[in-house]
Amino acid sequence: DTGVSQNPRHKITKRGQNVTFRCDPISEHNRLYWYRQTLGQGPEFLTYFQNEAQLEKSRLLSDRFSAERPKGSFSTLEIQRTEQGDSAMYLCASSLAHIGNNYGYTFGSGTRLTVV
Amino acid sequence: DAKTTQPNSMESNEEEPVHLPCNHSTISGTDYIHWYRQLPSQGPEYVIHGLTSNVNNRMASLAIAEDRKSSTLILHRATLRDAAVYYCILRDVSPAGSEKLVFGKGTKLTVNP
Repeated sequence: DTGVSQNPRHKITKRGQNVTFRCDPISEHNRLYWYRQTLGQGPEFLTYFQNEAQLEKSRLLSDRFSAERPKGSFSTLEIQRTEQGDSAMYLCASSLAHIGNNYGYTFGSGTRLTVV
Repeated sequence: DAKTTQPNSMESNEEEPVHLPCNHSTISGTDYIHWYRQLPSQGPEYVIHGLTSNVNNRMASLAIAEDRKSSTLILHRATLRDAAVYYCILRDVSPAGSEKLVFGKGTKLTVNP
């Protein structure tokens, strides 16, 4: 297993276009997270899946954002009608969690989105 | 919101020990203390975590105060590759049982050759 994979690494899009990012977590990990990071800031939580269920969404996740994790494997994050303020690094992380343990998260290298 | 306080930046010399402090005065009895680091142009990387006792692994040591209101990440011999932003995090668990890491701004560590 090569860790958490995110595609594409970079995306440049025009304002108003839709974009979709993909995250492939570590195969046995049942939890998957999306974060957003802007320059000089720590990552901000966006949403979280346990298997295929989306259990929590941040207030940062406006109506233009949607995330899915069909079959509890890979996940996609779509941003509709992109705005310049959406320019950021989008990070995906996965973890294996069950009652009684406290494992760390494994992050991907992120997708850097630039909206022009 | 992040529940930890860290210095914005610290500097060290190569091959010297580094002690990165973190305050978490509102920590609860079940909160684990996590440390991650982020190298330039990469996602965060897990470093270490602990609950009450000091912890050691191949990357670092974690010293936890007896009252658990502060902790220190110790890099025993800093290398240039340790230059990164280090995040001290309390794992956030919602009443519904979902959990996530809430990052602050972290400490930017500069290692001088």
